[in-house]
Amino acid sequence: EPEVTQTPSHQVTQMGQEVILRCVPISNHLYFYWYRQILGQKVEFLVSFYNNEISEKSEIFDDQFSVERPDGSNFTLKIRSTKLEDSAMYFCASSLGYDSPLHFGNGTRLTVT
Amino acid sequence: GENVEQHPSTLSVQEGDSAVIKCTYSDSASNYFPWYKQELGKGPQLIIDIRSNVGEKKDQRIAVTLNKTAKHFSLHITETQPEDSAVYFCAARPAPTDTGRRALTFGSGTRLQVQP
Repeated sequence: EPEVTQTPSHQVTQMGQEVILRCVPISNHLYFYWYRQILGQKVEFLVSFYNNEISEKSEIFDDQFSVERPDGSNFTLKIRSTKLEDSAMYFCASSLGYDSPLHFGNGTRLTVT
Repeated sequence: GENVEQHPSTLSVQEGDSAVIKCTYSDSASNYFPWYKQELGKGPQLIIDIRSNVGEKKDQRIAVTLNKTAKHFSLHITETQPEDSAVYFCAARPAPTDTGRRALTFGSGTRLQVQP
């Protein structure tokens, strides 16, 4: 069964540094998402992306965050200047259509020290 | 925006027993309700979903019920097995509107432990 893949599985960075989290969505999917999960808490929506532009974003997704689909297969989340509170598990997801189920990757654990 | 409440936060059952997890939602515009299972170190995996035009859906040992009037939906797992042990999340998503809001809102999760 096709799956969403994310790299790296664990990223450690220092406060103030830029990080890029990478995702390869399921190949025929058209909608892409980033969610995050702070340890022990609920999964929170960050951003959705369709047709090469952001279609929706949450209050968490401020100017420090950006997303990009640099080629036909990758979908990236960039955090420009990381803060301690950015430490979380970041999940990429994709869906075939706007009303289709979301399929999640196994996440990237980001640790900001 | 949408608010999804989930209960209980932890649930321990004996192997073979049934488990029920309940969620309520606040936004009457929500029309899609998936359930995800998350095992340690992995991402949420969709196990079943239901749309607001049906009241119940079953897939082998798993069933979901939806009461739109009361704005609550439940996950039922029968004949539980140790491999059912995981964290389960409910979620809700609004129907497409002019506002473009389509994000899934998750509940806080239920840690299910099935004792052999």
